[in-house]
Amino acid sequence: GNSVTQMEGPVTLSEEAFLTINCTYTATGYPSLFWYVQYPGEGLQLLLKATKADDKGSNKGFEATYRKETTSFHLEKGSVQVSDSAVYFCAPNTGNQFYFGTGTSLTVIP
Amino acid sequence: NAGVTQTPKFQVLKTGQSMTLQCAQDMNHEYMSWYRQDPGMGLRLIHYSVGAGITDQGEVPNGYNVSRSTTEDFPLRLLSAAPSQTSVYFCASSYSGGKYNSPLHFGNGTRLTVT
Repeated sequence: GNSVTQMEGPVTLSEEAFLTINCTYTATGYPSLFWYVQYPGEGLQLLLKATKADDKGSNKGFEATYRKETTSFHLEKGSVQVSDSAVYFCAPNTGNQFYFGTGTSLTVIP
Repeated sequence: NAGVTQTPKFQVLKTGQSMTLQCAQDMNHEYMSWYRQDPGMGLRLIHYSVGAGITDQGEVPNGYNVSRSTTEDFPLRLLSAAPSQTSVYFCASSYSGGKYNSPLHFGNGTRLTVT
């Protein structure tokens, strides 16, 4: 079956620091890959996605590249802001079941 | 734009009570689903539906029932609440589920406590 291994948190960074959150997955078939973000007290919302090998998804300064050979989809941002403080979820999808990692909590301090 | 609407936001139940969590979407999405979110466990799929009249089980279906009589609504029923069902519940919909790589749209969640 499908599974996701996501970088353990919590992660605390200073403003303008570089962010990487690692995500590796196992999946049957050829998954689409998603990152979702959850702000306090809210539901998850789509951050970015990639649907085939070597595709790069990007949004709000965040990027992730679909690496089929290493089954990874690491999230990066060059300069984080306080407003990026949230929980981030990696989620591969094949078929009608979406699988989520355990989430990585990020806190950015001024 | 309403998107996915969940009610109630908070609920406290006693063990053995039943209740229904409501979920409605106004985006004409085919696919709807229910997740529970527990600390350290991420989101786990309870049930999902790929269209009106069609439902299927996810990873953790025991103790929960669903039905999909309309495209818009997908209620989740707890038949006899147990403390292990204390969690935050999210409803999510997408245009086509696993087809066409469509992402999920989430409601804001229902925080349920069973005492």
